[in-house]
Amino acid sequence: NAGVMQNPRHLVRRRGQEARLRCSPMKGHSHVYWYRQLPEEGLKFMVYLQKENIIDESGMPKERFSAEFPKEGPSILRIQQVVRGDSAAYFCASSYRIEAFFGQGTRLTVV
Amino acid sequence: AQTVTQSQPEMSVQEAETVTLSCTYDTSESDYYLFWYKQPPSRQMILVIRQEAYKQQNATENRFSVNFQKAAKSFSLKISDSQLGDAAMYFCAYRSAGGNKLVFGAGTILRVKS
Repeated sequence: NAGVMQNPRHLVRRRGQEARLRCSPMKGHSHVYWYRQLPEEGLKFMVYLQKENIIDESGMPKERFSAEFPKEGPSILRIQQVVRGDSAAYFCASSYRIEAFFGQGTRLTVV
Repeated sequence: AQTVTQSQPEMSVQEAETVTLSCTYDTSESDYYLFWYKQPPSRQMILVIRQEAYKQQNATENRFSVNFQKAAKSFSLKISDSQLGDAAMYFCAYRSAGGNKLVFGAGTILRVKS
Protein backbone atom coordinates (compact mmCIF):
# COMPACT_ATOMS: atom_id res chain seq x y z
CA ASN A 1 0.00 0.00 0.00
CA ALA A 2 1.76 3.09 -1.23
CA GLY A 3 1.87 6.04 1.09
CA VAL A 4 0.73 9.55 0.35
CA MET A 5 2.42 10.64 -2.86
CA GLN A 6 3.24 14.25 -3.56
CA ASN A 7 4.84 15.69 -6.63
CA PRO A 8 6.94 17.40 -7.48
CA ARG A 9 9.34 17.22 -4.52
CA HIS A 10 10.88 20.52 -5.49
CA LEU A 11 9.36 23.30 -7.54
CA VAL A 12 10.95 26.57 -8.56
CA ARG A 13 8.78 29.37 -9.90
CA ARG A 14 9.43 32.95 -10.84
CA ARG A 15 7.35 35.65 -9.25
CA GLY A 16 4.02 35.94 -11.01
CA GLN A 17 3.92 32.35 -12.28
CA GLU A 18 1.51 29.65 -11.19
CA ALA A 19 2.44 26.71 -8.98
CA ARG A 20 0.55 23.42 -9.06
CA LEU A 21 1.16 20.89 -6.32
CA ARG A 22 -0.26 17.38 -6.57
CA CYS A 23 -1.20 14.89 -3.91
CA SER A 24 -2.42 11.31 -4.25
CA PRO A 25 -3.82 10.04 -0.93
CA MET A 26 -3.30 6.57 0.44
CA LYS A 27 -5.54 3.94 -1.06
CA GLY A 28 -8.91 3.93 0.66
CA HIS A 29 -8.49 7.41 2.15
CA SER A 30 -11.14 9.92 1.19
CA HIS A 31 -9.94 12.85 3.32
CA VAL A 32 -7.14 15.10 2.15
CA TYR A 33 -5.49 17.97 3.99
CA TRP A 34 -2.96 20.56 2.91
CA TYR A 35 -0.51 22.16 5.33
CA ARG A 36 2.18 24.77 4.85
CA GLN A 37 5.48 24.81 6.70
CA LEU A 38 7.52 28.00 6.70
CA PRO A 39 11.22 27.73 7.61
CA GLU A 40 11.83 27.00 11.30
CA GLU A 41 8.09 26.73 11.98
CA GLY A 42 5.50 24.05 12.52
CA LEU A 43 2.92 23.04 9.98
CA LYS A 44 -0.09 25.29 9.52
CA PHE A 45 -3.41 23.96 8.30
CA MET A 46 -4.64 25.32 5.00
CA VAL A 47 -7.55 23.28 3.68
CA TYR A 48 -9.46 20.03 4.18
CA LEU A 49 -11.16 18.29 1.28
CA GLN A 50 -13.20 15.21 0.59
CA LYS A 51 -13.90 13.96 -2.89
CA GLU A 52 -15.25 16.88 -4.93
CA ASN A 53 -15.92 18.96 -1.80
CA ILE A 54 -14.04 21.56 0.20
CA ILE A 55 -14.95 20.96 3.84
CA ASP A 56 -12.79 23.53 5.63
CA GLU A 57 -10.65 26.19 3.96
CA SER A 58 -10.26 28.41 7.00
CA GLY A 59 -6.46 28.34 6.80
CA MET A 60 -6.15 29.18 3.16
CA PRO A 61 -5.39 32.72 1.97
CA LYS A 62 -8.44 34.23 0.30
CA GLU A 63 -6.61 35.28 -2.82
CA ARG A 64 -4.40 33.36 -5.24
CA PHE A 65 -4.78 30.00 -3.49
CA SER A 66 -7.23 27.30 -4.45
CA ALA A 67 -7.56 23.56 -3.90
CA GLU A 68 -9.53 20.75 -5.42
CA PHE A 69 -9.96 17.01 -4.99
CA PRO A 70 -11.76 15.74 -8.07
CA LYS A 71 -13.65 12.51 -8.33
CA GLU A 72 -10.82 11.06 -10.37
CA GLY A 73 -7.18 11.96 -9.95
CA PRO A 74 -5.05 13.63 -7.34
CA SER A 75 -5.78 16.61 -5.15
CA ILE A 76 -4.31 19.84 -6.50
CA LEU A 77 -3.19 22.89 -4.58
CA ARG A 78 -2.88 25.82 -6.96
CA ILE A 79 -1.10 29.06 -6.20
CA GLN A 80 -1.53 31.79 -8.78
CA GLN A 81 0.83 34.72 -9.27
CA VAL A 82 3.31 33.43 -6.73
CA VAL A 83 5.26 35.83 -4.54
CA ARG A 84 8.45 35.29 -2.53
CA GLY A 85 6.43 34.86 0.65
CA ASP A 86 4.86 31.72 -0.82
CA SER A 87 8.21 29.94 -0.58
CA ALA A 88 7.64 27.09 1.85
CA ALA A 89 7.20 23.35 2.13
CA TYR A 90 3.66 22.24 1.36
CA PHE A 91 2.50 18.97 2.86
CA CYS A 92 -0.45 16.86 1.97
CA ALA A 93 -1.95 14.38 4.41
CA SER A 94 -4.70 11.83 4.05
CA SER A 95 -6.76 9.98 6.61
CA TYR A 96 -9.48 7.42 6.91
CA ARG A 97 -10.32 7.86 10.58
CA ILE A 98 -8.11 9.32 13.29
CA GLU A 99 -4.52 9.26 12.12
CA ALA A 100 -3.24 11.45 9.33
CA PHE A 101 -0.49 10.14 7.09
CA PHE A 102 1.73 12.67 5.40
CA GLY A 103 3.47 12.85 2.07
CA GLN A 104 7.08 13.99 1.78
CA GLY A 105 6.05 17.49 0.87
CA THR A 106 6.74 19.83 -2.01
CA ARG A 107 9.31 22.52 -1.43
CA LEU A 108 8.30 25.58 -3.39
CA THR A 109 10.91 28.21 -4.05
CA VAL A 110 9.88 31.49 -5.61
CA VAL A 111 12.71 33.40 -7.26
CA ALA B 1 -9.03 28.31 19.10
CA GLN B 2 -6.69 25.59 20.21
CA THR B 3 -2.98 26.26 20.57
CA VAL B 4 0.00 23.98 21.06
CA THR B 5 3.22 25.18 22.68
CA GLN B 6 6.61 23.51 22.59
CA SER B 7 8.87 25.54 24.83
CA GLN B 8 12.13 23.79 23.95
CA PRO B 9 13.47 24.90 20.56
CA GLU B 10 16.34 22.44 20.83
CA MET B 11 17.37 19.49 22.99
CA SER B 12 20.43 17.25 23.10
CA VAL B 13 20.81 13.73 24.43
CA GLN B 14 23.65 11.26 24.63
CA GLU B 15 23.18 8.04 22.73
CA ALA B 16 21.52 5.35 24.91
CA GLU B 17 20.21 7.89 27.39
CA THR B 18 16.69 9.20 27.97
CA VAL B 19 15.26 12.54 26.94
CA THR B 20 11.89 14.19 27.51
CA LEU B 21 10.33 16.69 25.11
CA SER B 22 7.69 19.04 26.49
CA CYS B 23 4.36 20.07 25.04
CA THR B 24 1.47 22.02 26.47
CA TYR B 25 -1.80 22.86 24.79
CA ASP B 26 -4.81 24.99 25.34
CA THR B 27 -8.36 23.87 24.64
CA SER B 28 -11.83 24.12 26.11
CA GLU B 29 -12.79 20.74 24.70
CA SER B 30 -12.88 17.53 26.71
CA ASP B 31 -12.51 15.03 23.89
CA TYR B 32 -9.52 15.22 21.60
CA TYR B 33 -6.40 13.47 20.34
CA LEU B 34 -2.76 14.33 20.82
CA PHE B 35 0.10 13.23 18.62
CA TRP B 36 3.85 13.38 18.37
CA TYR B 37 5.30 13.49 14.86
CA LYS B 38 8.94 13.14 13.90
CA GLN B 39 10.41 15.02 10.95
CA PRO B 40 13.91 13.87 9.97
CA PRO B 41 16.02 15.78 7.43
CA SER B 42 14.20 13.93 4.64
CA ARG B 43 11.22 16.12 5.62
CA GLN B 44 8.88 13.13 5.87
CA MET B 45 6.38 13.53 8.72
CA ILE B 46 6.29 10.28 10.68
CA LEU B 47 3.70 9.55 13.35
CA VAL B 48 5.48 8.50 16.54
CA ILE B 49 2.66 8.08 19.05
CA ARG B 50 -0.95 8.97 19.65
CA GLN B 51 -2.99 9.57 22.81
CA GLU B 52 -6.75 9.73 23.18
CA ALA B 53 -7.83 12.25 25.80
CA TYR B 54 -10.45 9.93 27.27
CA LYS B 55 -7.81 7.33 28.09
CA GLN B 56 -6.08 7.73 31.42
CA GLN B 57 -3.34 5.27 30.54
CA ASN B 58 -0.31 6.81 28.90
CA ALA B 59 0.44 5.57 25.39
CA THR B 60 3.63 3.61 24.75
CA GLU B 61 5.29 2.56 21.51
CA ASN B 62 8.52 0.64 22.09
CA ARG B 63 11.11 3.21 23.25
CA PHE B 64 8.62 6.07 23.04
CA SER B 65 6.15 6.90 25.78
CA VAL B 66 4.10 9.90 26.79
CA ASN B 67 3.20 11.56 30.05
CA PHE B 68 -0.33 12.84 29.51
CA GLN B 69 -1.59 15.18 32.22
CA LYS B 70 -5.07 16.22 31.14
CA ALA B 71 -5.76 18.65 33.96
CA ALA B 72 -2.46 20.41 33.37
CA LYS B 73 -2.89 20.19 29.58
CA SER B 74 0.54 18.71 29.26
CA PHE B 75 1.71 16.01 26.85
CA SER B 76 5.41 15.21 27.04
CA LEU B 77 7.29 12.63 24.99
CA LYS B 78 9.93 10.43 26.58
CA ILE B 79 12.47 8.69 24.36
CA SER B 80 14.40 5.93 26.10
CA ASP B 81 17.67 4.40 24.95
CA SER B 82 18.14 7.19 22.41
CA GLN B 83 19.57 6.22 19.05
CA LEU B 84 21.30 8.27 16.37
CA GLY B 85 18.29 7.72 14.14
CA ASP B 86 16.10 9.56 16.63
CA ALA B 87 17.74 12.85 15.66
CA ALA B 88 15.01 14.93 14.04
CA MET B 89 12.52 17.72 14.57
CA TYR B 90 9.65 16.60 16.80
CA PHE B 91 6.22 18.16 16.59
CA CYS B 92 3.41 17.92 19.08
CA ALA B 93 -0.06 18.14 17.52
CA TYR B 94 -3.66 18.41 18.67
CA ARG B 95 -6.84 17.30 16.98
CA SER B 96 -10.35 17.83 18.20
CA ALA B 97 -12.37 14.60 18.39
CA GLY B 98 -15.09 16.25 16.33
CA GLY B 99 -12.75 17.88 13.91
CA ASN B 100 -10.18 16.88 11.37
CA LYS B 101 -7.36 19.37 11.15
CA LEU B 102 -4.21 19.14 13.20
CA VAL B 103 -2.83 22.06 15.20
CA PHE B 104 0.94 21.83 15.50
CA GLY B 105 3.48 23.25 17.89
CA ALA B 106 6.58 25.00 16.59
CA GLY B 107 8.72 21.91 17.05
CA THR B 108 11.77 20.80 19.03
CA ILE B 109 15.02 19.87 17.33
CA LEU B 110 16.49 16.78 18.96
CA ARG B 111 20.22 16.16 18.56
CA VAL B 112 21.69 12.81 19.54
CA LYS B 113 25.37 12.70 20.45
CA SER B 114 27.46 9.58 19.96
